[in-house]
Amino acid sequence: DGGITQSPKYLFRKEGQNVTLSCEQNLNHDAMYWYRQDPGQGLRLIYYSQIVNDFQKGDIAEGYSVSREKKESFPLTVTSAQKNPTAFYLCASTRTPLDEAFFGQGTRLTVV
Amino acid sequence: RKEVEQDPGPFNVPEGATVAFNCTYSNSASQSFFWYRQDCRKEPKLLMSVYSSGNEDGRFTAQLNRASQYISLLIRDSKLSDSATYLCVVNTFSGNTGKLIFGQGTTLQVKP
Repeated sequence: DGGITQSPKYLFRKEGQNVTLSCEQNLNHDAMYWYRQDPGQGLRLIYYSQIVNDFQKGDIAEGYSVSREKKESFPLTVTSAQKNPTAFYLCASTRTPLDEAFFGQGTRLTVV
Repeated sequence: RKEVEQDPGPFNVPEGATVAFNCTYSNSASQSFFWYRQDCRKEPKLLMSVYSSGNEDGRFTAQLNRASQYISLLIRDSKLSDSATYLCVVNTFSGNTGKLIFGQGTTLQVKP
């Protein structure tokens, strides 16, 4: 079955450590996105990528980094510079920039 | 001003009621529009796309007003299972870059 896989589902890290969240899709979609969601809030765009080896900052990119070396993969690194990293992270992809988004199941990151 | 704005609610309605949500967007170059449903602690899932001519899917009707830059979602004959957060999504495409922006969501609670 085609879809988007995020791993892990739950992640615990100590403050000051970098952590990388995985996002893989086998939908052959060109565009991929990372969002952050805090309790009771909407989704805020962190980074997005339309093609391999190219990506753009979203509204809250500070403290995060991404790479897009392969079409199917768009990992997100939460660095120690991110002041409040505990949140629900969602990865999405679209076939073209104007199509509907498909989401992974998300990763809940807790930094202690 | 946020790019996509929704009334967060909550909207508390009895079963069988009709309820309407509105969403406004600020970028007149926005080109595609969607409503998503998100259940607690889950990823968002596409409810319906929104077209200029309006579209209907069972008890759900979506409308787009480009002149006033808002989209709406109407739910008729509300069911208990409709309780969720409804997210308005706007996609703006410029050059070869598309950006998918979410509203903060409107919470619906349908009561017996």
